[in-house]
Amino acid sequence: EAGVVQSPRYKIIEKKQPVAFWCNPISGHNTLYWYRQNLGQGPELLIRYENEEAVDDSQLPKDRFSAERLKGVDSTLKIQPAELGDSAVYLCASSLGRLAFFGQGTRLTVV
Amino acid sequence: EDQVTQSPEALRLQEGESSSLNCSYTVSGLRGLFWYRQDPGKGPEFLFTLYSAGEEKEKERLKATLTKKESFLHITAPKPEDSATYLCAVQGNYGQNFVFGPGTRLSVLP
Repeated sequence: EAGVVQSPRYKIIEKKQPVAFWCNPISGHNTLYWYRQNLGQGPELLIRYENEEAVDDSQLPKDRFSAERLKGVDSTLKIQPAELGDSAVYLCASSLGRLAFFGQGTRLTVV
Repeated sequence: EDQVTQSPEALRLQEGESSSLNCSYTVSGLRGLFWYRQDPGKGPEFLFTLYSAGEEKEKERLKATLTKKESFLHITAPKPEDSATYLCAVQGNYGQNFVFGPGTRLSVLP
């Protein structure tokens, strides 16, 4: 069974440019998370979806970040415009019940 | 607010030298405590889930234990391939978010 798939794996952009990340969760997992992980730190939640509904987006910087999960399956996280401080690894995870499984992440570098 | 701290921040062991990693937590009702392993450039990989104080789980050279305030990840006779960052996370009864600690970076030298 395929795990959580994220793309792209790496992205380098100039500041003020837009960027988007894509996530395909494990089939049947109704909960989807986006986390951000800075170097040397643990993942921090950005947004959690239950099916297509964003049930917790309290930590999402809404002035520049947006996310969507169409049809309760794939999800896209967007940053517009990107800032230097957005450089990090963006992780997607999905769960059915108590266990969460993570993708490989997208490493974003803003220059 | 749920919080997780981990110690030490980094640990260097010789191959075969057993040790323990600590995860201390505060949570409004523990739904589960999770240990993950993360290799450089990869996403966290699930290791164990613990649900109640006194519970223990084992997998190869790793053993996780849980009390009401902390969890330990014991590593017995580690090998260089055990080198990784070990992340601890909690999930509280009042939400389904996973709150992570900063991790312990383990290096096992041959």
